[in-house]
Amino acid sequence: AQTVTQSQPEMSVQEAETVTLSCTYDTSENNYYLFWYKQPPSRQMILVIRQEAYKQQNATENRFSVNFQKAAKSFSLKISDSQLGDTAMYFCAFMKRPGSQGNLIFGKGTKLSVKP
Amino acid sequence: DSGVTQTPKHLITATGQRVTLRCSPRSGDLSVYWYQQSLDQGLQFLIQYYNGEERAKGNILERFSAQQFPDLHSELNLSSLELGDSALYFCASSQTTASGNTIYFGEGSWLTVV
Repeated sequence: AQTVTQSQPEMSVQEAETVTLSCTYDTSENNYYLFWYKQPPSRQMILVIRQEAYKQQNATENRFSVNFQKAAKSFSLKISDSQLGDTAMYFCAFMKRPGSQGNLIFGKGTKLSVKP
Repeated sequence: DSGVTQTPKHLITATGQRVTLRCSPRSGDLSVYWYQQSLDQGLQFLIQYYNGEERAKGNILERFSAQQFPDLHSELNLSSLELGDSALYFCASSQTTASGNTIYFGEGSWLTVV
């Protein structure tokens, strides 16, 4: 069975600085997807970024980028130029190859606080 | 706005009762997922439907059931409710194709059992 581990329960960063959230996962699959979701105090789950395992290039979405290390089964999220609105819980999630049972397996989350 | 609509947003009910949570997926999405988020269990996958048929089952209790209708909306039925069922229940949807396999979440239905 697949597992996702986020080893940092809480982190804080100063506004405008850069922070990296860690995620490791365990799977025997070769083709899969990885995601970072953001859950602000409103509790809505918002997709931040997605990475396809067969793509070697790291995904980037504006200030958000990932460092995907497939051999190490590591998928960290880097937030550049942190903003107060980035304060939220961040969940790393794994999903098996498309077309199969496509449910997400989530880590426990990292609570990020951006301080002014 | 993810395009996934859930009703009701908040619900308070007594132990032993039965409730139904409703979800309309994004336009064009055939897959619907239900997740439960509680303080002690985190985010747990309950069940997935694809085009009306059950596709995958997670940690869903026997007291819970779900279905997806021909118009693709889905309902999650929770019966014989217990205090521990208090949680945020998310519905999510996706196209479940090679290029459209991102799962988008609704705003959730807060269930409080008293």
